[in-house]
Amino acid sequence: AQKITQTQPGMFVQEKEAVTLDCTYDTSDPSYGLFWYKQPSSGEMIFLIYQGSYDQQNATEGRYSLNFQKARKSANLVISASQLGDSAMYFCAMRGVGTASKLTFGTGTRLQVTL
Amino acid sequence: NAGVTQTPKFRVLKTGQSMTLLCAQDMNHEYMYWYRQDPGMGLRLIHYSVGEGTTAKGEVPDGYNVSRLKKQNFLLGLESAAPSQTSVYFCASRDPGPSSGANVLTFGAGSRLTVL
Repeated sequence: AQKITQTQPGMFVQEKEAVTLDCTYDTSDPSYGLFWYKQPSSGEMIFLIYQGSYDQQNATEGRYSLNFQKARKSANLVISASQLGDSAMYFCAMRGVGTASKLTFGTGTRLQVTL
Repeated sequence: NAGVTQTPKFRVLKTGQSMTLLCAQDMNHEYMYWYRQDPGMGLRLIHYSVGEGTTAKGEVPDGYNVSRLKKQNFLLGLESAAPSQTSVYFCASRDPGPSSGANVLTFGAGSRLTVL
């Protein structure tokens, strides 16, 4: 079975600072993918970044980067130069092998960006 | 805009009533999913489908039924609603794609259901 753990229910960060949101995972699949989604107060789920288990380099997408440490089974999201619009719920998710490659989600971290 | 459309967006039910949530996607995706989101629990998979005419159980299927009679539609039914089914429901879709690719889920906007 797959499991995603996000241990930070809530985080605060000042505008323009960097912040790291933690995510650890557990799986027996040799091949898997890790995702981060953002959910603003409006409720929609927005895809941010993806990391494949065999990718040699950490994924980056603009101000988002994924700090992937395979041996530690961690896939932390780093947001650089935080903006007020980054205030939202953030979910880490994993997709393994198998039928339909279903996503398993963590419980989320609520990020609040302050002035 | 192309994407995943869920109807209705809001619904209030009494215990024991039945209802159906409709998910429609216009991206010709093979795979479709129904998730529920509850505070402190993230998103949990209810049922999914890997193609027209197929359905399968997810993590929390009890109390729900689904049908995929047409490729573009995935229906989630509650035969006898219970207060424990008060939640926000999300539909999502994607193509199978290569397992090494990102192949991102596209989500609908969500449907907020309250059971009194």
